[in-house]
Amino acid sequence: GQQLNQSPQSMFIQEGEDVSMNCTSSSIFNTWLWYKQDPGEGPVLLIALYKAGELTSNGRLTAQFGITRKDSFLNISASIPSDVGIYFCAGRGDNYGQNFVFGPGTRLSVLP
Amino acid sequence: KAGVTQTPRYLIKTRGQQVTLSCSPISGHRSVSWYQQTPGQGLQFLFEYFSETQRNKGNFPGRFSGRQFSNSRSEMNVSTLELGDSALYLCASRPGQLYEQYFGPGTRLTVT
Repeated sequence: GQQLNQSPQSMFIQEGEDVSMNCTSSSIFNTWLWYKQDPGEGPVLLIALYKAGELTSNGRLTAQFGITRKDSFLNISASIPSDVGIYFCAGRGDNYGQNFVFGPGTRLSVLP
Repeated sequence: KAGVTQTPRYLIKTRGQQVTLSCSPISGHRSVSWYQQTPGQGLQFLFEYFSETQRNKGNFPGRFSGRQFSNSRSEMNVSTLELGDSALYLCASRPGQLYEQYFGPGTRLTVT
Protein backbone atom coordinates (compact mmCIF):
# COMPACT_ATOMS: atom_id res chain seq x y z
CA GLY A 1 0.00 0.00 0.00
CA GLN A 2 0.93 3.63 -0.11
CA GLN A 3 3.37 4.84 2.51
CA LEU A 4 4.64 8.25 3.41
CA ASN A 5 7.99 9.08 4.94
CA GLN A 6 8.66 12.32 6.75
CA SER A 7 12.00 13.80 7.63
CA PRO A 8 13.38 14.76 9.92
CA GLN A 9 11.63 12.71 12.59
CA SER A 10 12.25 15.47 15.12
CA MET A 11 14.13 18.73 15.24
CA PHE A 12 15.25 21.26 17.81
CA ILE A 13 15.73 24.81 16.62
CA GLN A 14 16.33 28.22 18.09
CA GLU A 15 13.55 30.77 18.07
CA GLY A 16 13.87 32.92 14.97
CA GLU A 17 15.38 30.19 12.81
CA ASP A 18 13.84 28.87 9.61
CA VAL A 19 12.62 25.27 9.44
CA SER A 20 12.40 22.84 6.54
CA MET A 21 10.80 19.44 6.51
CA ASN A 22 9.70 17.10 3.77
CA CYS A 23 7.47 14.22 2.95
CA THR A 24 8.07 11.54 0.33
CA SER A 25 5.84 8.90 -1.15
CA SER A 26 6.49 5.64 -2.97
CA SER A 27 3.69 6.49 -5.40
CA ILE A 28 2.27 9.51 -7.18
CA PHE A 29 -0.15 11.76 -5.33
CA ASN A 30 -2.60 14.36 -6.64
CA THR A 31 -3.18 16.11 -3.31
CA TRP A 32 -0.86 17.01 -0.46
CA LEU A 33 -2.02 18.37 2.88
CA TRP A 34 0.03 19.69 5.78
CA TYR A 35 -1.29 19.65 9.34
CA LYS A 36 -0.03 20.74 12.76
CA GLN A 37 -1.09 18.92 15.90
CA ASP A 38 -0.76 20.12 19.48
CA PRO A 39 -0.79 17.58 22.33
CA GLY A 40 -4.24 16.18 23.01
CA GLU A 41 -5.84 18.06 20.11
CA GLY A 42 -6.84 17.21 16.58
CA PRO A 43 -4.60 18.13 13.62
CA VAL A 44 -5.18 21.60 12.22
CA LEU A 45 -4.97 22.05 8.45
CA LEU A 46 -2.17 24.43 7.48
CA ILE A 47 -1.88 24.20 3.71
CA ALA A 48 -3.48 22.20 0.89
CA LEU A 49 -1.72 21.58 -2.45
CA TYR A 50 -3.41 20.26 -5.59
CA LYS A 51 -1.00 20.76 -8.47
CA ALA A 52 2.55 19.59 -9.18
CA GLY A 53 4.98 22.47 -8.70
CA GLU A 54 2.42 24.50 -6.73
CA LEU A 55 3.90 26.78 -4.07
CA THR A 56 1.46 28.03 -1.44
CA SER A 57 1.98 30.25 1.60
CA ASN A 58 0.03 30.72 4.79
CA GLY A 59 1.67 33.45 6.85
CA ARG A 60 5.15 32.28 7.78
CA LEU A 61 4.48 28.83 6.32
CA THR A 62 5.23 27.87 2.74
CA ALA A 63 4.59 24.47 1.20
CA GLN A 64 5.40 23.06 -2.20
CA PHE A 65 3.98 20.19 -4.22
CA GLY A 66 7.00 18.40 -5.71
CA ILE A 67 7.39 18.22 -9.49
CA THR A 68 7.64 14.43 -9.40
CA ARG A 69 4.33 14.32 -7.48
CA LYS A 70 6.04 12.02 -5.01
CA ASP A 71 7.10 14.61 -2.49
CA SER A 72 6.15 17.79 -0.71
CA PHE A 73 8.01 20.31 1.41
CA LEU A 74 7.03 22.59 4.27
CA ASN A 75 9.05 25.59 5.36
CA ILE A 76 8.49 27.74 8.42
CA SER A 77 10.26 31.07 8.55
CA ALA A 78 11.31 32.93 11.69
CA SER A 79 10.06 30.26 14.09
CA ILE A 80 8.32 31.25 17.31
CA PRO A 81 7.54 29.22 20.45
CA SER A 82 3.95 28.48 19.37
CA ASP A 83 5.28 26.62 16.32
CA VAL A 84 6.06 23.73 18.67
CA GLY A 85 4.08 20.64 17.77
CA ILE A 86 3.93 17.72 15.40
CA TYR A 87 3.65 18.40 11.69
CA PHE A 88 1.96 15.79 9.55
CA CYS A 89 1.81 15.48 5.81
CA ALA A 90 -1.06 13.64 4.13
CA GLY A 91 -1.41 12.61 0.54
CA ARG A 92 -3.95 11.09 -1.77
CA GLY A 93 -3.39 9.21 -5.02
CA ASP A 94 -4.93 9.72 -8.42
CA ASN A 95 -8.17 8.04 -7.45
CA TYR A 96 -10.24 10.71 -5.75
CA GLY A 97 -12.20 7.99 -4.02
CA GLN A 98 -9.14 7.01 -2.05
CA ASN A 99 -8.63 8.04 1.53
CA PHE A 100 -5.72 10.17 2.66
CA VAL A 101 -2.49 8.53 3.82
CA PHE A 102 -0.61 10.19 6.66
CA GLY A 103 3.09 10.43 7.36
CA PRO A 104 4.50 9.62 10.83
CA GLY A 105 5.03 13.30 11.62
CA THR A 106 7.92 15.65 12.37
CA ARG A 107 8.15 16.78 15.97
CA LEU A 108 9.33 20.39 16.20
CA SER A 109 10.76 21.91 19.35
CA VAL A 110 11.64 25.59 19.52
CA LEU A 111 14.23 26.69 22.05
CA PRO A 112 13.96 30.27 23.35
CA LYS B 1 -18.71 28.33 10.68
CA ALA B 2 -18.39 25.97 13.60
CA GLY B 3 -15.69 23.35 13.28
CA VAL B 4 -15.92 19.60 13.59
CA THR B 5 -17.15 18.60 17.02
CA GLN B 6 -16.65 15.27 18.75
CA THR B 7 -18.25 13.92 21.88
CA PRO B 8 -17.25 12.88 24.41
CA ARG B 9 -13.75 14.31 24.61
CA TYR B 10 -12.59 11.73 27.14
CA LEU B 11 -13.80 8.25 27.93
CA ILE B 12 -12.66 5.44 30.19
CA LYS B 13 -13.98 1.94 29.57
CA THR B 14 -13.08 -1.55 30.72
CA ARG B 15 -12.13 -4.49 28.55
CA GLY B 16 -15.07 -6.24 26.97
CA GLN B 17 -17.34 -3.22 27.02
CA GLN B 18 -18.50 -1.38 23.94
CA VAL B 19 -18.32 2.32 23.16
CA THR B 20 -19.99 4.77 20.79
CA LEU B 21 -18.30 7.99 19.71
CA SER B 22 -20.04 10.84 17.97
CA CYS B 23 -18.94 13.35 15.35
CA SER B 24 -20.72 16.39 13.95
CA PRO B 25 -19.09 17.63 10.74
CA ILE B 26 -18.74 21.20 9.58
CA SER B 27 -22.06 22.46 8.22
CA GLY B 28 -22.41 21.51 4.57
CA HIS B 29 -19.78 18.77 4.70
CA ARG B 30 -21.13 15.43 3.57
CA SER B 31 -18.03 13.29 4.04
CA VAL B 32 -16.90 12.09 7.45
CA SER B 33 -13.79 10.00 8.04
CA TRP B 34 -12.61 8.36 11.22
CA TYR B 35 -9.01 7.77 12.27
CA GLN B 36 -7.28 6.07 15.16
CA GLN B 37 -4.12 7.71 16.46
CA THR B 38 -1.66 5.93 18.73
CA PRO B 39 1.99 6.74 19.54
CA GLY B 40 3.16 3.51 17.95
CA GLN B 41 1.04 3.37 14.79
CA GLY B 42 0.40 7.03 14.06
CA LEU B 43 -2.77 8.09 12.25
CA GLN B 44 -4.58 5.12 10.81
CA PHE B 45 -7.68 5.35 8.65
CA LEU B 46 -10.75 3.53 9.93
CA PHE B 47 -13.53 4.36 7.47
CA GLU B 48 -15.19 7.12 5.49
CA TYR B 49 -18.87 7.85 5.05
CA PHE B 50 -20.41 10.00 2.36
CA SER B 51 -24.14 10.66 2.19
CA GLU B 52 -24.83 7.83 4.66
CA THR B 53 -22.84 5.27 2.65
CA GLN B 54 -19.50 3.79 3.65
CA ARG B 55 -17.08 4.72 0.88
CA ASN B 56 -13.77 3.40 2.17
CA LYS B 57 -12.66 1.13 4.94
CA GLY B 58 -9.29 0.70 6.57
CA ASN B 59 -7.69 -2.46 7.83
CA PHE B 60 -9.41 -2.80 11.18
CA PRO B 61 -11.34 -5.75 12.64
CA GLY B 62 -15.10 -5.95 12.42
CA ARG B 63 -15.38 -4.79 16.03
CA PHE B 64 -15.00 -1.30 14.61
CA SER B 65 -18.10 -0.04 12.84
CA GLY B 66 -19.67 3.23 11.95
CA ARG B 67 -22.65 4.90 10.44
CA GLN B 68 -23.74 8.26 9.14
CA PHE B 69 -27.09 9.90 9.53
CA SER B 70 -29.05 11.98 7.06
CA ASN B 71 -27.79 15.19 8.71
CA SER B 72 -24.21 13.98 8.06
CA ARG B 73 -23.50 13.39 11.75
CA SER B 74 -21.58 10.17 12.25
CA GLU B 75 -21.02 7.66 14.99
CA MET B 76 -18.43 4.97 15.37
CA ASN B 77 -18.81 1.96 17.60
CA VAL B 78 -16.20 -0.34 19.03
CA SER B 79 -17.46 -3.56 20.54
CA THR B 80 -15.65 -5.94 22.91
CA LEU B 81 -13.00 -3.37 23.78
CA GLU B 82 -9.38 -4.47 24.09
CA LEU B 83 -6.52 -2.72 25.87
CA GLY B 84 -4.97 -1.97 22.49
CA ASP B 85 -8.01 0.09 21.51
CA SER B 86 -6.81 2.87 23.81
CA ALA B 87 -6.16 5.76 21.46
CA LEU B 88 -7.18 9.19 20.27
CA TYR B 89 -10.07 8.77 17.84
CA LEU B 90 -10.29 11.56 15.33
CA CYS B 91 -13.09 12.51 13.02
CA ALA B 92 -12.53 14.61 9.91
CA SER B 93 -15.03 16.14 7.51
CA ARG B 94 -14.90 17.59 4.01
CA PRO B 95 -17.47 18.90 1.56
CA GLY B 96 -16.83 16.15 -0.99
CA GLN B 97 -14.13 13.83 -2.21
CA LEU B 98 -12.17 16.46 -4.12
CA TYR B 99 -11.51 18.58 -1.07
CA GLU B 100 -9.20 18.77 1.91
CA GLN B 101 -10.43 17.48 5.25
CA TYR B 102 -10.74 19.17 8.62
CA PHE B 103 -10.30 17.40 11.91
CA GLY B 104 -12.19 17.58 15.15
CA PRO B 105 -10.48 17.70 18.58
CA GLY B 106 -10.73 13.94 19.03
CA THR B 107 -12.02 11.57 21.69
CA ARG B 108 -9.41 10.13 24.01
CA LEU B 109 -10.45 6.55 24.80
CA THR B 110 -8.72 4.69 27.60
CA VAL B 111 -9.45 0.99 28.03
CA THR B 112 -8.52 -0.51 31.40
